[in-house]
Amino acid sequence: NAGVTQTPKFQVLKTGQSMTLQCAQDMNHNSMYWYRQDPGMGLRLIYYSASEGTTDKGEVPNGYNVSRLNKREFSLRLESAAPSQTSVYFCASARGEGNTIYFGEGSWLTVV
Amino acid sequence: GENVEQHPSTLSVQEGDSAVIKCTYSDSASNYFPWYKQELGKRPQLIIDIRSNVGEKKDQRIAVTLNKTAKHFSLHITETQPEDSAVYFCAAASGGSYIPTFGRGTSLIVHP
Repeated sequence: NAGVTQTPKFQVLKTGQSMTLQCAQDMNHNSMYWYRQDPGMGLRLIYYSASEGTTDKGEVPNGYNVSRLNKREFSLRLESAAPSQTSVYFCASARGEGNTIYFGEGSWLTVV
Repeated sequence: GENVEQHPSTLSVQEGDSAVIKCTYSDSASNYFPWYKQELGKRPQLIIDIRSNVGEKKDQRIAVTLNKTAKHFSLHITETQPEDSAVYFCAAASGGSYIPTFGRGTSLIVHP
């Protein structure tokens, strides 16, 4: 049982480049999330998808877009990367409202 | 919206001592309180959680207490070991919410 799988694990981008972080879960969870983690800032929610077919902005959505491709997959896209987007990105999933969130292993992104 | 405050930001103890991390929350509708442990370079992982109909929950050396009247909950680790060294996050969520609110984390250092 893989849980939440995200790719790539490491990526270096140049300013202005675009990329997509992929995430898939095999737990039949309804809700999926993208967080970023920066030193001293904890976990900040970028976007979430409460259920298949819906997406909503979180605390820090600017510069990002998401796609809930199906129940398993939830991707995060950076259209024009900026150095301020250098961070560790975590995808996560949960069965539904008020339930435990399970995290992927993280994606380390550096924008130069 | 919900606001979760977590203290202290750093906690240093000697091996064998107890460690206590405290969180306060603002939304009286919150009824689910998970705690996550994040080792260096790893994903946050759930270590214990409590729901509002329970005042205390224990799992071996770890316990969580909840005071709904005062809107605070705490993580207690007894007989600390070097492998307990990590960042610990508290979170709060209401039953109707898809989005738990995380505290900013506590870096626990256990000295051998």
